[in-house]
Amino acid sequence: DGGITQSPKYLFRKEGQNVTLSCEQNLNHDAMYWYRQDPGQGLRLIYYSQIVNDFQKGDIAEGYSVSREKKESFPLTVTSAQKNPTAFYLCASRSRGTGGRQYFGPGTRLTVT
Amino acid sequence: GEDVEQSLFLSVREGDSSVINCTYTDSSSTYLYWYKQEPGAGLQLLTYIFSNMDMKQDQRLTVLLNKKDKHLSLRIADTQTGDSAIYFCAESAGAGGGADGLTFGKGTHLIIQP
Repeated sequence: DGGITQSPKYLFRKEGQNVTLSCEQNLNHDAMYWYRQDPGQGLRLIYYSQIVNDFQKGDIAEGYSVSREKKESFPLTVTSAQKNPTAFYLCASRSRGTGGRQYFGPGTRLTVT
Repeated sequence: GEDVEQSLFLSVREGDSSVINCTYTDSSSTYLYWYKQEPGAGLQLLTYIFSNMDMKQDQRLTVLLNKKDKHLSLRIADTQTGDSAIYFCAESAGAGGGADGLTFGKGTHLIIQP
């Protein structure tokens, strides 16, 4: 059963704590992406990785960090430096080449109080 | 910079056609996409169109692209209650075909009246 998994579906943290969101794919895709969605907003790109051991900042990378040690995995850490971390976080992956489509995981809803 | 604009709400009667519109600014976009999001879920890729095409049809879905006006539309024929969702238009950022991520509109809430 191929796809993208994100865990957990709901996550609660206290302000000041770092938290890591998981994203795993078994589609053999090279590229992976993290987006953030706020109510009434579109998706905004946080970080992306086109290949293992390499990643680039997206439009709103401040307060976030990522790693890409394995092709299948692209975890996102929300640090205490992120001023408004409560949001819906979506992971996506994409096959190689121009025109490769991005496919999304089910998302993790993070609430920080 | 890149920007994608959509109207926030569309209300249609069950059985009618729905037309969701989108405008974008990046003329170098090579692909344009339509995604569907149901409450609390991730995004489902519905369809996409290459920038050198002006129309693409896939069952009940028809995508029209006017590259000169940078206008994209999604028509859903015979709209059903299961089509109730948020629909996002997205463009591939720059000339990389989407490798550097997608730029999304804010989404159009499609509301189905019985």
